[in-house]
Amino acid sequence: DGGITQSPKYLFRKEGQNVTLSCEQNLNHDAMYWYRQDPGQGLRLIYYSQIVNDFQKGDIAEGYSVSREKKESFPLTVTSAQKNPTAFYLCASSPQGGNIQYFGAGTRLSVL
Amino acid sequence: KQEVTQIPAALSVPEGENLVLNCSFTDSAIYNLQWFRQDPGKGLTSLLLIQSSQREQTSGRLNASLDKSSGRSTLYIAASQPGDSATYLCAAMDSSYKLIFGSGTRLLVRP
Repeated sequence: DGGITQSPKYLFRKEGQNVTLSCEQNLNHDAMYWYRQDPGQGLRLIYYSQIVNDFQKGDIAEGYSVSREKKESFPLTVTSAQKNPTAFYLCASSPQGGNIQYFGAGTRLSVL
Repeated sequence: KQEVTQIPAALSVPEGENLVLNCSFTDSAIYNLQWFRQDPGKGLTSLLLIQSSQREQTSGRLNASLDKSSGRSTLYIAASQPGDSATYLCAAMDSSYKLIFGSGTRLLVRP
């Protein structure tokens, strides 16, 4: 089954804690993306990576970090510096220079 | 900086009605315009993609149009069904392949 897998589906963070959201794809796509969605709003780009070992900040990168050590994996860490992390996080991938982004099912992050 | 706006924010219609969702963007230098569907608590499903050189795309009961000069796109849904109830998002892709999303239209089709 080809696709994008995000885990966990639900995640809870304590104050001052770093948490990592997983995104794995077996579509052999070069590019991967992380978005944040707040209630009643569209998606905002956090980070994106066009190729392994390279990534760029999106519009709201502060308080987040990523790595791209493998083509199929693009984990997102929500650091303690992100003061309002409660949101729905979506990962996407696309072929290099591709028009269409394919989305995972999302991770809902809440603060305890 | 590209901004994408969707009107209305929410829409409720009886089953069988034809409807139009609106999307506007501020920068006409787009690579393409995409429409997505999002069910509650789920990811996004791509519905239609219109390249910047195209005027419209059709898939089944869905038709999307693009007018770059006026910065507008519309999604037309014919003969709406309760299963069409979802949030519909439009997104403009810039030349670096980044998507800029609108805040969506939440559609409810009443049986």
